[in-house]
Amino acid sequence: DSGVTQTPKHLITATGQRVTLRCSPRSGDLSVYWYQQSLDQGLQFLIHYYNGEERAKGNILERFSAQQFPDLHSELNLSSLELGDSALYFCASSVGTGQYTGELFFGEGSRLTVL
Amino acid sequence: DAKTTQPNSMESNEEEPVHLPCNHSTISGTDYIHWYRQLPSQGPEYVIHGLTSNVNNRMASLAIAEDRKSSTLILHRATLRDAAVYYCILRDVVGGGADGLTFGKGTHLIIQP
Repeated sequence: DSGVTQTPKHLITATGQRVTLRCSPRSGDLSVYWYQQSLDQGLQFLIHYYNGEERAKGNILERFSAQQFPDLHSELNLSSLELGDSALYFCASSVGTGQYTGELFFGEGSRLTVL
Repeated sequence: DAKTTQPNSMESNEEEPVHLPCNHSTISGTDYIHWYRQLPSQGPEYVIHGLTSNVNNRMASLAIAEDRKSSTLILHRATLRDAAVYYCILRDVVGGGADGLTFGKGTHLIIQP
């Protein structure tokens, strides 16, 4: 158990819909990272938040957005869903800032299926 | 982050040592070498990391070449639970960490009973 909690574990929805994935980081961790894993693309970095502020963006689509709340949990919002958005979405947390922080702790992921 | 090259897959027998290679010929002086693994249906898990010297922890050992252009993750006695995809990742300590980790395709380690 990494200490990172993601909900829901599984989600099935239709094209055009909007979903929200939630992540609770390990106690004391200020950084939250979101990753997408699909069969053909592997693990892709989406976005990083530190203590409520966006720190870095990766390959995140404009239809996707994220935020980190004062209690440090984070949400990833996916809208106008397409079939290609079907993937595993992982959240990871770490202690530190945008500087080198050591290891990342990953949650078990949220599996999104778009039909 | 600089790129790494790993074999697509490797096979080993249970209870034998496993040596997983990683080439990173364009590594910079401020790049740390990280290893993560991903077991089936789970999120990635930290294994070990190092800069220049060899490192040991309860999970594995990391042997780093003197010129730092390659490294080897050593599992001293593989079990069936070590079957996973192993990722070798370089992470720049300077201005670094903001982008998290850049995952390649990794090495799919198969353990035979």
